[in-house]
Amino acid sequence: EVQLVESGGNSVQPGGSLRLSCAASGFPFRVYSMNWVRQAPGEGLEWIAYLTSDERTMFYADSVKGRFIISRDNAKNLLYLQMRSLRSEDTAVYYCVRSVRGQGDYWGQGTLVSVSS
Amino acid sequence: EVVMTQSPATLSVSPGERASLSCRASQSVNSDHLAWYQQRPGQAPRLLISGASSRATGIPDRFSGSGSGTDFTLIISRLEPEDFAVYYCQQYVASPLTFTFGPGTRVEIK
Repeated sequence: EVQLVESGGNSVQPGGSLRLSCAASGFPFRVYSMNWVRQAPGEGLEWIAYLTSDERTMFYADSVKGRFIISRDNAKNLLYLQMRSLRSEDTAVYYCVRSVRGQGDYWGQGTLVSVSS
Repeated sequence: EVVMTQSPATLSVSPGERASLSCRASQSVNSDHLAWYQQRPGQAPRLLISGASSRATGIPDRFSGSGSGTDFTLIISRLEPEDFAVYYCQQYVASPLTFTFGPGTRVEIK
């Protein structure tokens, strides 16, 4: 069974940093592209980061470019999202998503990041 | 940049009735890269349809997707109580690399 379990969400002040983790199991993690998608309270979905299995290709939404870094450890089946210079508009549930042909076929349950003073 | 729009924003339907949801792209997209997701209240989204028309694993056959180019449709043939949710379409372009969701359609009980 495919499982994606996010962790690391927390409350942080504006300008702060946070690192999210996603533990993957039930599939060969090293061969799949992985992603982070977020959802602000009461809002729709925003695809914010993508990383191929070989780490050669990545994508960032304009809203997080230069502030967030997606990375992975294929030996440990872990996906990360390093977030810095956090803003109030980064407040959201962050989902770890496996993708095939650019479509998210498995989603974690999400971890909440709250940015406020 | 491809912009995805969905209509209607809210659809009121009675259980057992048919629902038709529309997704339109601002420019032609590859049908292989068009997906539909369902998000029930308090839950993570789940993939319903990939490649515009292929049901994901475990998705009942009352869900069907169709379309090409700029116009795509999700049909729920007979609404069950668990189908009342928000539905999102999403497209992916390989070059330049972009991922875009539509704003969603809320299907509510009439």
